Amino acid sequence: DTAVSQTPKYLVTQMGNDKSIKCEQNLGHDTMYWYKQDSKKFLKIMFSYNNKELIINETVPNRFSPKSPDKAHLNLHINSLELGDSAVYFCASSQDTGRRLYFGPGTRLTVT
Amino acid sequence: QKEVEQDPGPLSVPEGAIVSLNCTYSNSAFQYFMWYRQYSRKGPELLMYTYSSGNKEDGRFTAQVDKSSKYISLFIRDSQPSDSATYLCAMSAGGGADGLTFGKGTHLIIQP
Repeated sequence: DTAVSQTPKYLVTQMGNDKSIKCEQNLGHDTMYWYKQDSKKFLKIMFSYNNKELIINETVPNRFSPKSPDKAHLNLHINSLELGDSAVYFCASSQDTGRRLYFGPGTRLTVT
Repeated sequence: QKEVEQDPGPLSVPEGAIVSLNCTYSNSAFQYFMWYRQYSRKGPELLMYTYSSGNKEDGRFTAQVDKSSKYISLFIRDSQPSDSATYLCAMSAGGGADGLTFGKGTHLIIQP
């Protein structure tokens, strides 16, 4: 069984569009995250979310918004996509917050 | 100064060699240290997890943490071509939902 899954795996879209990426974890973890990996492979946290708090990296544009319908899901919605949003987006989850993260396979977003 | 420094490589070694990968960091609050392995077009996979200073061994892999020097290492013995991947160090102060701070990753190539 896949522990952390994401859909879609690839997403190609035009500038200005709105898109969503879905994430689900079946590990029973309390905290979920979104990370962005740029072309130089650098992983940077965008959001973390558990039952009680949403922590937003202050460098993330407000065009990005996480939405969590329940503890097992954390979706990422992006408005007005820009060329610079092209990257690989990883969802992750952890039980012991801030420590061992388990990552999904990634969503490769290309904005044209 | 970046919070976590890691040489991006590439580091190319012959099969069977001992590989040494390293990271330095500046935040003395970090106390949880991890190494992730990432194959091309895959999500990061947790390889080693260490709390505070000391050594941890798992098969061919040994992780070392020296908090006094703010320096962590990953050693791979009897390296195999299947070890070819990008290795990312990651660390956390723990608590809250701050996630992990990653190094930029070292691209390792094991030559058959």
